[in-house]
Amino acid sequence: GAGVSQTPSNKVTEKGKYVELRCDPISGHTALYWYRQSLGQGPEFLIYFQGTGAADDSGLPNDRFFAVRPEGSVSTLKIQRTERGDSAVYLCASSLNEDGEQYFGPGTRLTVT
Amino acid sequence: GEDVEQSLFLSVREGDSSVINCTYTDSSSTYLYWYKQEPGAGLQLLTYIFSNMDMKQDQRLTVLLNKKDKHLSLRIADTQTGDSAIYFCAESIGGGSYIPTFGRGTSLIVHP
Repeated sequence: GAGVSQTPSNKVTEKGKYVELRCDPISGHTALYWYRQSLGQGPEFLIYFQGTGAADDSGLPNDRFFAVRPEGSVSTLKIQRTERGDSAVYLCASSLNEDGEQYFGPGTRLTVT
Repeated sequence: GEDVEQSLFLSVREGDSSVINCTYTDSSSTYLYWYKQEPGAGLQLLTYIFSNMDMKQDQRLTVLLNKKDKHLSLRIADTQTGDSAIYFCAESIGGGSYIPTFGRGTSLIVHP
């Protein structure tokens, strides 16, 4: 079956612009996670959804970052006023429920110039 | 300092065993994981171990946990070139929070 998909695979934007990154989880998975992976680092947790609600957003670095999952399936990570330090690979994962194995997508590589 | 630490590189010859080591600081860690990341691909969970276990074996993979020293290792027997990847150690505390905290990853290079 289809795995977790993320679009776009690559995004180049100018400093100060707004970007949206999309995640399509595995069908039926109730939990969805966003991580950020900077070069040479492991993934860092950003936010976790259980259904439509954000169960834990403690990893969001500041209020420029926001994520939604309005129908409990697809999620969008939104970054306002992008900065060069936002450049990273943004990973999405989903799991059947909150304690299930997380399945990761291939990521979106964001480059802020 | 980091919660999960790993060495950055490991180079082995094809057919040899690889041992990737990890240390963690949180004594309340309940689950410890090993993930594999290949170029252009997502992270893949290889195996995990509960903190009340000392060892777990799964085909070519052996995980050893020393809870007293907060040390986790992954042994890959008969390492193949297809095992070349970055391996991440991760831990979570469970009890409603299963979000893993990852190390920086160990880049395993397997040469013929």
